[in-house]
Amino acid sequence: AQSVTQLDSQVPVFEEAPVELRCNYSSSVSVYLFWYVQYPNQGLQLLLKYLSGSTLVKGINGFEAEFNKSQTSFHLRKPSVHISDTAEYFCAVTSKTSYDKVIFGPGTSLSVIP
Amino acid sequence: GAGVSQSPRYKVAKRGQDVALRCDPISGHVSLFWYQQALGQGPEFLTYFQNEAQLDKSGLPSDRFFAERPEGSVSTLKIQRTQQEDSAVYLCASTDVSYEQYFGPGTRLTVT
Repeated sequence: AQSVTQLDSQVPVFEEAPVELRCNYSSSVSVYLFWYVQYPNQGLQLLLKYLSGSTLVKGINGFEAEFNKSQTSFHLRKPSVHISDTAEYFCAVTSKTSYDKVIFGPGTSLSVIP
Repeated sequence: GAGVSQSPRYKVAKRGQDVALRCDPISGHVSLFWYQQALGQGPEFLTYFQNEAQLDKSGLPSDRFFAERPEGSVSTLKIQRTQQEDSAVYLCASTDVSYEQYFGPGTRLTVT
């Protein structure tokens, strides 16, 4: 079974500052990793995904994440945030060896301060 | 193209009532998932379909919850005798072979 930990429940950051949202996972098998964003009263939208290959993954809206197998982490970063980045961010994992059941973390609420 | 749609978007039910939540996945997507998202929490897996076959229902919290996808496209999540703890947003997602799950906007269920 897999599990996901997001250490920060809330992250306030000033506009145009960099941000890192932390994600750690636990799994006994190889995994695929995802970051989703959820704007208020909307469904989840995929930001980026790691399936294989380069451990640095670039996604939409200027976000990127780095897969670190030894530290079982998949932290999300953006060098300069905008007001419009204010949202809930979810890290998620699914096993490579089973079907597509996805386990989500509890989420990190990013608040961008003008 | 059209994304995943869900209806109704909002549902208020009195405790004890039955509700039915509908999900229209992206056309051609074989896999369909239901999740429950409580306030301030991440989505939690409820059940999974591959075409019309329900391959995993381990996340359904009680036998009051029932899901079906009889023709392998539209799916319905039914909750019988609703309780206050059932209040949540119910999310549906469909996926192709890319492992990306496309989510609908969700149905917010409030049980009073």
